[in-house]
Amino acid sequence: DQQVKQNSPSLSVQEGRISILNCDYTNSMFDYFLWYKKYPAEGPTFLISISSIKDKNEDGRFTVFLNKSAKHLSLHIVPSQPGDSAVYFCAGVDSNYQLIWGAGTKLIIKP
Amino acid sequence: ETGVTQTPRHLVMGMTNKKSLKCEQHLGHNAMYWYKQSAKKPLELMFVYNFKEQTENNSVPSRFSPECPNSSHLFLHLHTLQPEDSALYLCASSRTTSGGATYNEQFFGPGTRLTVL
Repeated sequence: DQQVKQNSPSLSVQEGRISILNCDYTNSMFDYFLWYKKYPAEGPTFLISISSIKDKNEDGRFTVFLNKSAKHLSLHIVPSQPGDSAVYFCAGVDSNYQLIWGAGTKLIIKP
Repeated sequence: ETGVTQTPRHLVMGMTNKKSLKCEQHLGHNAMYWYKQSAKKPLELMFVYNFKEQTENNSVPSRFSPECPNSSHLFLHLHTLQPEDSALYLCASSRTTSGGATYNEQFFGPGTRLTVL
């Protein structure tokens, strides 16, 4: 049973518009949540994180929102740029400090 | 370039072959990890080494055998694999393993795409 779910395998967004990537989790003991970005033929790279005691974290064009009551987090990218086209992974950090990953969402930014 | 390299990038092997995957990190980190990513599935943690000592083995079959001779190098020795072992194998490193309310960011290599025939 997956503890972290990314229910949209892919998402297509027009350049300049907002991209919203969603992630649901079942483990209420996660201390941190992370978003990683992965380009083809490269490993995942860290993008942004949020502590479980916060509900929002912003870094430039990227904002992560956490709704603990709904066990849901989302990544907002605005404005979306062609270089944002990649696979985005959501992950929770459990009490053993292991990363529990979602299956990823492929984001396609259309020019 | 994340400072973590993996070789080979692609590997095709038969079920009776023995091969090894290599990972090297140039970041001065003390923790190294092996992950498996099957198509359209989440990354699965396989092994964790901290200061050359194995600290995690997530019920990985014995046909996968890790080796960490020093903090900069990590190997995954493969033998008598099955076709379902075909996947992307990712290596990562971090300053140390996380603990004490501190999460240490993991840096990933590009992965080895393994195909078992």
